[in-house]
Amino acid sequence: DVKVTQSSRYLVKRTGEKVFLECVQDMDHENMFWYRQDPGLGLRLIYFSYDVKMKEKGDIPEGYSVSREKKERFSLILESASTNQTSMYLCASSLDRRNYGYTFGSGTRLTVV
Amino acid sequence: QKEVEQNSGPLSVPEGAIASLNCTYSDRGSQSFFWYRQYSGKSPELIMSIYSNGDKEDGRFTAQLNKASQYVSLLIRDSQPSDSATYLCAVGRVKLVFGQGTRLTINP
Repeated sequence: DVKVTQSSRYLVKRTGEKVFLECVQDMDHENMFWYRQDPGLGLRLIYFSYDVKMKEKGDIPEGYSVSREKKERFSLILESASTNQTSMYLCASSLDRRNYGYTFGSGTRLTVV
Repeated sequence: QKEVEQNSGPLSVPEGAIASLNCTYSDRGSQSFFWYRQYSGKSPELIMSIYSNGDKEDGRFTAQLNKASQYVSLLIRDSQPSDSATYLCAVGRVKLVFGQGTRLTINP
């Protein structure tokens, strides 16, 4: 089975800090995605990447950036964390443009205080 | 804005009955349709995919797709307490748009 690993399960950061969320997949998937999940708002796409060094904005990219230097790793960066970025962050990957569905990581619960 | 709407929950079903979950979507160009199950505190898990009109069965689960009506559904037969979870409908091409989910509770 494809495994998508997120580096931290829980994080607590202070307002204004730069925060890095890491995601690694082990099955040579082309596509990787970052979503955040909030009660009442569902899953919202932040950024996605179709290939190494390639990125595209999702629906809510403000306050975030991403990096994909290697195919297996997709990092989400909060440039200056704010309390409204407190959320569950989910990384996902999929094989290629033939969408057979995502595999999700276990999620990172980020709290910004 | 591409939208995916799911029937509002929570939905409560007795054990052994059929649970029916519904989803409509706005983007007629959507090509891939999925149902994910999410247990409380866990990440979503893919349980069904469907790409063409009609029914697709996998064990106790049946996904139904009607592209003309822009409608996707999931039927769970012989519902078990372990089926209690939030079910997410996801629609799209390469990237997916998710519905807000329907919380399903199976009562023993």
